[in-house]
Amino acid sequence: QKEVEQDPGPLSVPEGAIVSLNCTYSNSAFQYFMWYRQYSRKGPELLMYTYSSGNKEDGRFTAQVDKSSKYISLFIRDSQPSDSATYLCAIGSGGSNYKLTFGKGTLLTVNP
Amino acid sequence: NAGVTQTPKFQVLKTGQSMTLQCAQDMNHNSMYWYRQDPGMGLRLIYYSASEGTTDKGEVPDGYNVSRLKKQNFLLGLESAAPSQTSVYFCASSYVGGGEDVYTFGSGTRLTVV
Repeated sequence: QKEVEQDPGPLSVPEGAIVSLNCTYSNSAFQYFMWYRQYSRKGPELLMYTYSSGNKEDGRFTAQVDKSSKYISLFIRDSQPSDSATYLCAIGSGGSNYKLTFGKGTLLTVNP
Repeated sequence: NAGVTQTPKFQVLKTGQSMTLQCAQDMNHNSMYWYRQDPGMGLRLIYYSASEGTTDKGEVPDGYNVSRLKKQNFLLGLESAAPSQTSVYFCASSYVGGGEDVYTFGSGTRLTVV
């Protein structure tokens, strides 16, 4: 079983839809959970970061972590065409472990 | 701030040629990373450096070498390029290197080996 599993999609939604993106992980040592957004032909950029179970909101974006189920989600409300990108979850265990483990990414297209 | 700068942005190599991909960061970050990104494979770690002068292998190190002689620079070398190394290469950096850190990525180098 891979450490981080992410449905690659692609996912196509109409403008204004609520989008749900998900990842599962296997290592209970993971403590830090991030979502990166990557536009076409660009490098990934941090979108959301959290380290505890529960929800974290930032504008139209909500990151949700369920450590008991080893499941993380990113919700996008009122999706816009400008949200069209690949979304990657990234998980880290902190401490002396320097590396983040990335999901493969979900390609999202929001249609006007 | 420029953040993470990668050069070149595009490169075409012939099989067997060598080259060095350059990465520079101006954020005084301790840790630096090289990833490759291929369709359906996601980001795969090639090498990383926790601090100046130290390097460690990642998930897919074969066919590559790295150098971190200065804190701000992390070089990725291809000794004898192969078509399987056709990919988009991303460099990233982070301040401490723990899971709490944010990775800052460069804009990528698109490499084609023919």
